[in-house]
Amino acid sequence: NAGVTQTPKFRVLKTGQSMTLLCAQDMNHEYMYWYRQDPGMGLRLIHYSVGEGTTAKGEVPDGYNVSRLKKQNFLLGLESAAPSQTSVYFCASSYSGGVDTEAFFGQGTRLTVV
Amino acid sequence: DAKTTQPPSMDCAEGRAANLPCNHSTISGNEYVYWYRQIHSQGPQYIIHGLKNNETNEMASLIITEDRKSSTLILPHATLRDTAVYYCIVTILTGGGNKLTFGTGTQLKVEL
Repeated sequence: NAGVTQTPKFRVLKTGQSMTLLCAQDMNHEYMYWYRQDPGMGLRLIHYSVGEGTTAKGEVPDGYNVSRLKKQNFLLGLESAAPSQTSVYFCASSYSGGVDTEAFFGQGTRLTVV
Repeated sequence: DAKTTQPPSMDCAEGRAANLPCNHSTISGNEYVYWYRQIHSQGPQYIIHGLKNNETNEMASLIITEDRKSSTLILPHATLRDTAVYYCIVTILTGGGNKLTFGTGTQLKVEL
């Protein structure tokens, strides 16, 4: 049982380049989330999904797009990377939005934009 | 979501109980208190959560004051592997699921 897997683990981009971060979960969870974490700060929610085919904006959505075509996958896209998007990105999933659910996090993707 | 206040850092001797405080004086009646931790910049790990009553699981205990304005996470026998940043989060569980708002947390250092 792999849990939440993020691909890639590290990436260096040049300003203006595009890329897609993949998050895959094998727990049949309905809810999935993308967060970013900057040095010395807590995680901030970028986008989330409450089910296959749905997405919604979080706290810091600008510059990112997401898609949830399959229940087990949640993709985060950067169309034109900027140095301000240098960060560690975490994906998470939860079974539901109910009171007795916990969020499971991946190990993170460290992205540097130069 | 209500704002939380945590001390930036704490130390604890191995084998001793670690008591991590959290202030959430503006918490509303339907907001839950969650605790997560993050070890060495890994993905956060769920520890425990509660609404009004004290809670205990295999990892920790959560003590919530009667007025719900503060809480304490207790690691009963801290080990070196418990060294991590601990986040206290107050959130409403709506149809949007676990939209967690992380602050800067408490860096717990467990020492020999």
